[in-house]
Amino acid sequence: DVKVTQSSRYLVKRTGEKVFLECVQDMDHENMFWYRQDPGLGLRLIYFSYDVKMKEKGDIPEGYSVSREKKERFSLILESASTNQTSMYLCASRPLDRDYGYTFGSGTRLTVV
Amino acid sequence: GESVGLHLPTLSVQEGDNSIINCAYSNSASDYFIWYKQESGKGPQFIIDIRSNMDKRQGQRVTVLLNKTVKHLSLQIAATQPGDSAVYFCAERKWSDYKLSFGAGTTVTVRA
Repeated sequence: DVKVTQSSRYLVKRTGEKVFLECVQDMDHENMFWYRQDPGLGLRLIYFSYDVKMKEKGDIPEGYSVSREKKERFSLILESASTNQTSMYLCASRPLDRDYGYTFGSGTRLTVV
Repeated sequence: GESVGLHLPTLSVQEGDNSIINCAYSNSASDYFIWYKQESGKGPQFIIDIRSNMDKRQGQRVTVLLNKTVKHLSLQIAATQPGDSAVYFCAERKWSDYKLSFGAGTTVTVRA
């Protein structure tokens, strides 16, 4: 089975800190995504990467950046964490040729205090 | 902007009954739709998908119906079980796009 692993299930960070959320997939998928999930708002796309070193802004990129130096790893960076970035963060990946191949990680619940 | 949404945020179902979860979409260019299930503490899991050239698709205990005229998508779960308790999301995508757009989700609770 495809596995998408997010390095932390729970994180608590202070306002102003630089935060790194890591995601690793083990099935050689080209595309990777970062979503945030908030009650009543569903999943909103922050950034995605369609291949190594490629990245595109999603719907809500402000306050975030990403890095994809290797195919299997896609990192989300909060440059200066703020309380409104408290959320559940979900990473997903998919291969280029399979539409239903969106596989999600278990999520990282980030609290910014 | 255009978005995908679900009609009801919550649904309570008696065990053994059939469940129907509805979703309205507004992007007429969308031609691919997916239903995901998210259990507590887990990431969303793929349930079933449908392309716009189809009206109906069946899986194991699940059926997805697509009405393009009114831009409506539904997920039917037959003989609902306690393990079906979860949040269900519909998602849509234009065929050429990389990304999915998700609705807000419907929380399904199965009563014993």
